Amino acid sequence: DAGITQSPRHKVTETGTPVTLRCHQTENHRYMYWYRQDPGHGLRLIHYSYGVKDTDKGEVSDGYSVSRSKTEDFLLTLESATSSQTSVYFCAISIQGSKETQYFGPGTRLLVL
Amino acid sequence: DAKTTQPNSMESNEEEPVHLPCNHSTISGTDYIHWYRQLPSQGPEYVIHGLTSNVNNRMASLAIAEDRKSSTLILHRATLRDAAVYYCILRQMDSNYQLIWGAGTKLIIKP
Repeated sequence: DAGITQSPRHKVTETGTPVTLRCHQTENHRYMYWYRQDPGHGLRLIHYSYGVKDTDKGEVSDGYSVSRSKTEDFLLTLESATSSQTSVYFCAISIQGSKETQYFGPGTRLLVL
Repeated sequence: DAKTTQPNSMESNEEEPVHLPCNHSTISGTDYIHWYRQLPSQGPEYVIHGLTSNVNNRMASLAIAEDRKSSTLILHRATLRDAAVYYCILRQMDSNYQLIWGAGTKLIIKP
């Protein structure tokens, strides 16, 4: 399972509050990704990272920021959560030498009231 | 971005082969074709990928049309555990390995 954990697994928060989701990997993989998935849809890329302090935007980055100060942790922050950010968030990594393949964490269910 | 088109859902009987189609008529010469699946309440799981030639692995086979405008994921003997949403995805070579996901095909396996 590529040693990927996400925390928290479930969160309920109120509109306007900041939220940080954590993705942790145990195997020092370079590439990490944050996606969101809404009901009946595929995944949409929010941000990705190709190394410590190296990040870039995906297709739905508005309202989100990320940080990667250590190889093993990739944080996703909603600075001021909105109801439209209610979703399931997945973290993924690409394994060195097998960059074609992404491995996903178990997901975080976020409900913004 | 390149797009893929898949049927919304398909049904198959247990222990029979399943052929999941995908159209990608705007594919470019360097785009890889990826398949992932997602079981209920889980993260997506890699299945297979290819560029031009047909590919086989322990999970499935990928048949790619000669003009690369379509492909088919083949599950040789479906089990109930194969019930999932299957995503056909194009990955552009210069995209830093970004995957652009569609809505996928929900595969229903009947016992």
